[in-house]
Amino acid sequence: AQSVAQPEDQVNVAEGNPLTVKCTYSVSGNPYLFWYVQYPNRGLQFLLKYITGDNLVKGSYGFEAEFNKSQTSFHLKKPSALVSDSALYFCAVRPIYSSASKIIFGSGTRLSIRP
Amino acid sequence: GAGVSQSPRYKVAKRGQDVALRCDPISGHVSLFWYQQALGQGPEFLTYFQNEAQLDKSGLPSDRFFAERPEGSVSTLKIQRTQQEDSAVYLCASSPGGGGSYNEQFFGPGTRLTVL
Repeated sequence: AQSVAQPEDQVNVAEGNPLTVKCTYSVSGNPYLFWYVQYPNRGLQFLLKYITGDNLVKGSYGFEAEFNKSQTSFHLKKPSALVSDSALYFCAVRPIYSSASKIIFGSGTRLSIRP
Repeated sequence: GAGVSQSPRYKVAKRGQDVALRCDPISGHVSLFWYQQALGQGPEFLTYFQNEAQLDKSGLPSDRFFAERPEGSVSTLKIQRTQQEDSAVYLCASSPGGGGSYNEQFFGPGTRLTVL
């Protein structure tokens, strides 16, 4: 079965410190991988995606993520956290050879940045 | 605006009522998706349209759920005889590519449905 796991319900980081939000996946074949962020009362916003090529991808708001095929992981990172980064983050996956564009979301990780 | 819009933003229904949720995707986007997001959970796929064709409805939880996109643009998700377990946020997303593309999806703000 295809799935996405976000093992941490909540991550707490002090402003200015680096942050990591973890994601692992299980799919048949190679995946497309995505990170989305959700602010209160707003829809999900796209942050970044991995399609192919360089394992380190850079996205919006200074976020980046590293694709690790051997560990089937796609952790989200940022070198220096801001209070405004506090939000709910979702990792998502779609198998490359899936005939539909359906993507599977993780359960989300709440990121809290303290001043 | 240029984004995905959904209406109503909030809907309260009595158990047994029918509801209709509307989604206006980004103009020209081929693909349209509906998701259900329960409190504290990630979005779960309901159904997918490529233009007016409903290519995947594997996520619809029961035959009380019905979706359409008759002209390949606006879509409506209808829930008949609502039950309390239908209470959730219903998200619509659109994407410029068709099936098999790697395009990201653009999400609307959602409709929060509460069934009493």
